[in-house]
Amino acid sequence: DTAVSQTPKYLVTQMGNDKSIKCEQNLGHDTMYWYKQDSKKFLKIMFSYNNKELIINETVPNRFSPKSPDKAHLNLHINSLELGDSAVYFCASSQGRQGGETQYFGPGTRLLVL
Amino acid sequence: SQKIEQNSEALNIQEGKTATLTCNYTNYSPAYLQWYRQDPGRGPVFLLLIRENEKEKRKERLKVTFDTTLKQSLFHITASQPADSATYLCATLMRFGAGTRLTVKP
Repeated sequence: DTAVSQTPKYLVTQMGNDKSIKCEQNLGHDTMYWYKQDSKKFLKIMFSYNNKELIINETVPNRFSPKSPDKAHLNLHINSLELGDSAVYFCASSQGRQGGETQYFGPGTRLLVL
Repeated sequence: SQKIEQNSEALNIQEGKTATLTCNYTNYSPAYLQWYRQDPGRGPVFLLLIRENEKEKRKERLKVTFDTTLKQSLFHITASQPADSATYLCATLMRFGAGTRLTVKP
């Protein structure tokens, strides 16, 4: 069984479009995260949710809006996509709030904005 | 600003040798450091966590040290194998280093 799953795996879209990425975890964890990994492979935290509550919002354009309908799901909606949004987006989950516990990562969503 | 850095972008070693990867942090004192492995096209996978009061931690062929004086963690893979080839990331408090790409040659 997949612990952390993301859909879609690949996403190719035009500049200016709006798109969503979905994430689900079946580990019973309280905290979920979104990370962005750019072309230089640098992994950067974007958002963190604990029990559906936003607890970390790094310096991310407000075109990015996370939504957590329940503890097991954390979706990422991106408005007005830009070329610079092209990256791999990883969802992760952990039992603790600060990432101090083991984080389990999803397989990533490869976003390409043309 | 708080930084976590892995100075070596790539490391090439011969099979059977010990690989040593370095992680340095500046401007903060993390209570723990984590090490992850990332294979191409996949998400990071957790390997080890070491807390500030632990000098060393081992798991099979892996060993991690944590030196709070030097502000450094070392990650060792002994008796390395080609299957160990991957990118290794250190992390704390959701901040990740840029990773070191290890290649083990047969």
